[in-house]
Parts: sequence; C-alpha cells; structure tokens
Amino acid sequence: AQSVTQLDSQVPVFEEAPVELRCNYSSSVSVYLFWYVQYPNQGLQLLLKYLSGSTLVESINGFEAEFNKSQTSFHLRKPSVHISDTAEYFCAVSRISNFGNEKLTFGTGTRLTIIP
Amino acid sequence: GAGVSQTPSNKVTEKGKYVELRCDPISGHTALYWYRQSLGQGPEFLIYFQGTGAADDSGLPNDRFFAVRPEGSVSTLKIQRTERGDSAVYLCASSRSRDNEQFFGPGTRLTVL
Repeated sequence: AQSVTQLDSQVPVFEEAPVELRCNYSSSVSVYLFWYVQYPNQGLQLLLKYLSGSTLVESINGFEAEFNKSQTSFHLRKPSVHISDTAEYFCAVSRISNFGNEKLTFGTGTRLTIIP
Repeated sequence: GAGVSQTPSNKVTEKGKYVELRCDPISGHTALYWYRQSLGQGPEFLIYFQGTGAADDSGLPNDRFFAVRPEGSVSTLKIQRTERGDSAVYLCASSRSRDNEQFFGPGTRLTVL
C-alpha cells in the first residue's frame, strides 16, 4: 500500500516570495507522483506529474517539483508566488502497473494563502 | 472538449434514504474512478472501473455502497440507507493514458441530515 504525508496543512506566503510545499510518500513498489491543485470553488486539476526520466518536472505556471527517491519526497516549489496561486494543493501517488491505470492515494492537502 | 461531468452538483437527503450519483466521463476514457472527499481531507479512493467491470472496489466502506458502469461509459454510485457520516463531496475521475493521468469532475456534494 502507498501513503502520502503533507505535513503543512496551511502555508501563508507574501506575494512575490518563494514557497515550498512538502510531500513525502511511502511505498514498497515504484510509483508515479502527482501534484493536483484545487482553486476556490473549482474541481481538482493536475498541476504536474513525475513518471520517469528527469527528476525535476515543471508546470506551465511556474511551479516545479523534484523527485527524490532516497528521501521519498516530491516537494513543490515556486520562486515567486502570485495572488492567483491561492488554492489547496494535493500530492498524490499511484503504483506503476502494466495496465497503467491505478487508484491515486492523496495527502491531506496544503492550503496556500498568498498575502498581498 | 467536454470534461468529466457529475450530477447532481448538490444533494440533500435524510438519514436512511437511498441516493444515486451520476458520472459522465470524458469520451474515449476507459478507466473511471470514484473518490470521496471529506472536509479538510484529501480525496479517498472508493472504486475503479476498467470498461464495464470493477477492477478494484477495495475502497468501498461497506455494503451500503455500490457502483455500476453497464455500458462502459456513464457510471452511477448508489448509496443505500444513508448515514450522516456519508456526507462528503463525491468525486469522479476518468483516464485514458498509461501514465494514469486522471481528470476530475466538479463533484457532487452530498449532505445527509
């Protein structure tokens, strides 16, 4: 079984400051890793994913996450946040299978609040 | 293109009643998932369909919960004898690709009084 830990339930950050949202996972098998974002009154949207290859993955809106296998982490970072980044961020994992389709196991989420 | 749709968006029912929640996945997506999100928590897996069959129903909490996908497209989550603890947002997602990228619907907020 897999599990995901997001230690920070809330993170307040000043606008234009950098931010890191932490995610650690536990799994006995290889996994895919995901970050999903939920903006106020909207559904979950995929922000970025790690499948294989380069351990650093980027999103189109300036976020990046680095897969660290030895530390079983997949922290999300952004060098300069904007008001529009205010949202709930969920880290998720799924095991890798031949079918490619597996359930996602989510963390409890981190609420990012941007302070003007 | 159309995303995953879920109906109703909100459902209020009384304890002990039966409810049905509907999910319409993205056209061509063979995999369909149901999750439940309680307040302050991340989504929790309930059941996953590959085509018409339930490939993994290990997340269904008890036998009051049941889901079907008879034609491999639309799915219905059915909850019998609802309890107040069933109150949550029920999310549906669909996927096509082997990288397991799941696209989520807006959810159905179920409130059991």
